[in-house]
Amino acid sequence: AQTVTQSQPEMSVQEAETVTLSCTYDTSESDYYLFWYKQPPSRQMILVIRQEAYKQQNATENRFSVNFQKAAKSFSLKISDSQLGDAAMYFCAYRSVPLASRLTFGEGTQLTVNP
Amino acid sequence: DAGVTQSPTHLIKTRGQQVTLRCSPKSGHDTVSWYQQALGQGPQFIFQYYEEEERQRGNFPDRFSGHQFPNYSSELNVNALLLGDSALYLCASSLVAHKVEDTEAFFGQGTRLTVV
Repeated sequence: AQTVTQSQPEMSVQEAETVTLSCTYDTSESDYYLFWYKQPPSRQMILVIRQEAYKQQNATENRFSVNFQKAAKSFSLKISDSQLGDAAMYFCAYRSVPLASRLTFGEGTQLTVNP
Repeated sequence: DAGVTQSPTHLIKTRGQQVTLRCSPKSGHDTVSWYQQALGQGPQFIFQYYEEEERQRGNFPDRFSGHQFPNYSSELNVNALLLGDSALYLCASSLVAHKVEDTEAFFGQGTRLTVV
């Protein structure tokens, strides 16, 4: 079974600064997908970024980028130019390749953005 | 285009009772997954429905059951409620497709269940 670990229960960042959230995972599969989800107080999970394990290039979505280290089984999220609206709980998640496989989530990191 | 809708938003039940939660998937989606999110924790997979059948199941007891209707909407039923069943229940819909970008899971806002 796959496991996902987020070792930072809470992080804080100043507005306009950069912050990195950490995630490690364990799997015996060679191909899979990794995700970062954002859960604001509204409770709805929102996909931030996706990484396909077979791709060596790190994914980027505007101010959000990842550092994917497959050998180390590490998948960190970098948020640049942090904005107040980035404040939320962030979850790292793993999904196997077979169609519509389940998501396995980490415990989450609560991000606070200070003005 | 309506996203994933869940009802009710909040619910209070007594130990031993039964509860039914409902989910309507995003338009065009054919797969519904349910997750339980305890306070301060990440979501845990309960089960997934596709073509009106349970396709995958997480480590949850048989007290948790579900159903998918021909219009792809789904219900989650929990019998003999325990205090430990208090949680946010999230529904996610997706599409069985070959391109990963087409299989993104969209989540509803959840149902907050409190068992007293």
